[in-house]
Amino acid sequence: AQSVTQLGSHVSVSEGALVLLRCNYSSSVPPYLFWYVQYPNQGLQLLLKYTSAATLVKGINGFEAEFKKSETSFHLTKPSAHMSDAAEYFCAVSVSGGYNKLIFGAGTRLAVHP
Amino acid sequence: GAVVSQHPSWVICKSGTSVKIECRSLDFQATTMFWYRQFPKQSLMLMATSNEGSKATYEQGVEKDKFLINHASLTLSTLTVTSAHPEDSSFYICSARDAGKYNSPLHFGNGTRLTVT
Repeated sequence: AQSVTQLGSHVSVSEGALVLLRCNYSSSVPPYLFWYVQYPNQGLQLLLKYTSAATLVKGINGFEAEFKKSETSFHLTKPSAHMSDAAEYFCAVSVSGGYNKLIFGAGTRLAVHP
Repeated sequence: GAVVSQHPSWVICKSGTSVKIECRSLDFQATTMFWYRQFPKQSLMLMATSNEGSKATYEQGVEKDKFLINHASLTLSTLTVTSAHPEDSSFYICSARDAGKYNSPLHFGNGTRLTVT
């Protein structure tokens, strides 16, 4: 069965610092992996997705993630944090590959302080 | 871009009443929609897959008679929480993908916060 584990329920960084949010996955089929961001009382916005093409995926708002099969990881990074990046971030894996129903990780709350 | 609209955005109801939540794909057709539930400070848990013109598929542990799903058209799915109780209070989020695009990702609505008193 597919699953994702997000290491660290809370991450705090200074404005301008590197953002690193960790995600490890388990999948019995070649995975489709996603990162979503959620602001308070809102739905989810897609940041980026991995669909078996390039292993380094660039998304919106300066975020990127690298798919590492050997490590079963798909960590999200951003070189320089902005205050507006403070939100909840979810890593997700497609249940059966492709753009299908998703299984989400527990989420990581990112705090950005001045 | 593709937009998924949920209505209402929040609702308060009394215990024992039923509440209907609508999920609409505004500029695309969706043969499949997904309903998620999110408790405070927790992740999204998939409740069911809504299939246009057929019965929904529920995840294990989700009561299909309590959470009625209807997907009567290619742009609308509804979730009805029947005989709601305080423990049903949660954030409900729907998602859908564009059936007309091969590589369409899932698009999420802004969610509906249900409070049962």
